[in-house]
Amino acid sequence: GEDVEQSLFLSVREGDSSVINCTYTDSSSTYLYWYKQEPGAGLQLLTYIFSNMDMKQDQRLTVLLNKKDKHLSLRIADTQTGDSAIYFCAESKKGTGRRALTFGSGTRLQVQP
Amino acid sequence: DVKVTQSSRYLVKRTGEKVFLECVQDMDHENMFWYRQDPGLGLRLIYFSYDVKMKEKGDIPEGYSVSREKKERFSLILESASTNQTSMYLCASNLRGFLSQPQHFGDGTRLSIL
Repeated sequence: GEDVEQSLFLSVREGDSSVINCTYTDSSSTYLYWYKQEPGAGLQLLTYIFSNMDMKQDQRLTVLLNKKDKHLSLRIADTQTGDSAIYFCAESKKGTGRRALTFGSGTRLQVQP
Repeated sequence: DVKVTQSSRYLVKRTGEKVFLECVQDMDHENMFWYRQDPGLGLRLIYFSYDVKMKEKGDIPEGYSVSREKKERFSLILESASTNQTSMYLCASNLRGFLSQPQHFGDGTRLSIL
């Protein structure tokens, strides 16, 4: 199957760390992505990780990949109110002839001041 | 920076109308995509195109068609709009390559069918 699953909602306090989790089912996935969608806007690419990596860090963002468990997480350090948005996890596959992504349903992150 | 521009942010049409949603990208990308976004369902792929005049069906193509006459422009067509096509429509593009390249998205068109 090609399911990508995420929890629907996460609430944190400003200054805390946020961890958004995602599971996927297809072990042939090559790249895994995190996108951010602010209200009324399109999707903004935050970061991505190749499937042979375990971790990727980019400023306040840390992506962890557990390939054995097919689990991906996005950690946002020192979460700010401007981080409030919907976060989508997505996967892509190599060599299928399709270059589209399979998206999760999105996690709405609410940051309390 | 890559720019993907969707012609309308908001659109209201009537049942049975033929509706055109336009998308233009300025980075010479080979691949272009149309998704629809509905609450709780994430993004679902309608159609994509990997070259001029080339197209492939996505997961939910029924009721839609597409046109790619020029590399930079990808149009989504609702042949006879119905109320269940009320949704947010997102266009994206990326480079063709052996390994996947990140997709870049437009700001979306919120379409209401009355």
